[in-house]
Amino acid sequence: KAGVTQTPRYLIKTRGQQVTLSCSPISGHRSVSWYQQTPGQGLQFLFEYFSETQRNKGNFPGRFSGRQFSNSRSEMNVSTLELGDSALYLCASSLARVDEQFFGPGTRLTVL
Amino acid sequence: DAKTTQPPSMDCAEGRAANLPCNHSTISGNEYVYWYRQIHSQGPQYIIHGLKNNETNEMASLIITEDRKSSTLILPHATLRDTAVYYCIVRVPNYGGSQGNLIFGKGTKLSVKP
Repeated sequence: KAGVTQTPRYLIKTRGQQVTLSCSPISGHRSVSWYQQTPGQGLQFLFEYFSETQRNKGNFPGRFSGRQFSNSRSEMNVSTLELGDSALYLCASSLARVDEQFFGPGTRLTVL
Repeated sequence: DAKTTQPPSMDCAEGRAANLPCNHSTISGNEYVYWYRQIHSQGPQYIIHGLKNNETNEMASLIITEDRKSSTLILPHATLRDTAVYYCIVRVPNYGGSQGNLIFGKGTKLSVKP
């Protein structure tokens, strides 16, 4: 079956703009988590959605937000982009009663 | 912060076993040990997890010491495609739907050489 898909795969934006990233989980998975990966900070948890509700949130400013739709697809939005937001954004999905998380290939965001 | 300590890098000859250590001296009784790996520019991939008994699957074996303060991931016959960063994570598993978050440390960069 299809894995986790993320769109777009690459994105270039300028400071001050906003961006929306999309994640489609594996069919049947209802939990979606987002992570940011940078060379300096490594992999850091952003937030998790389950059944359209945010269940957990990492230590990121309010410029980072997300949502989940009834079909479990999720989007994350970053407003007022800063240079430091340049990163690989990863989405992971999981099936209830199974603790393995499946990651997508990520969206590489570059902020100029 | 991550609750694990791993060596930053290791080398392994192709075809040999790769043994990746992890220290987790503050692990709680209900926390499991998980291993993920990340091949360059890809998303992390789940490998294996365990509580206190040794575990084996088609990818690897996980050996957890009796006091559970450390563990070793074993790739029995490493190939060039196993070159990746390996992350050891301890956490309480979520089986109720909400998956919680994984706290990644810096991991071990394993280089498999021909």
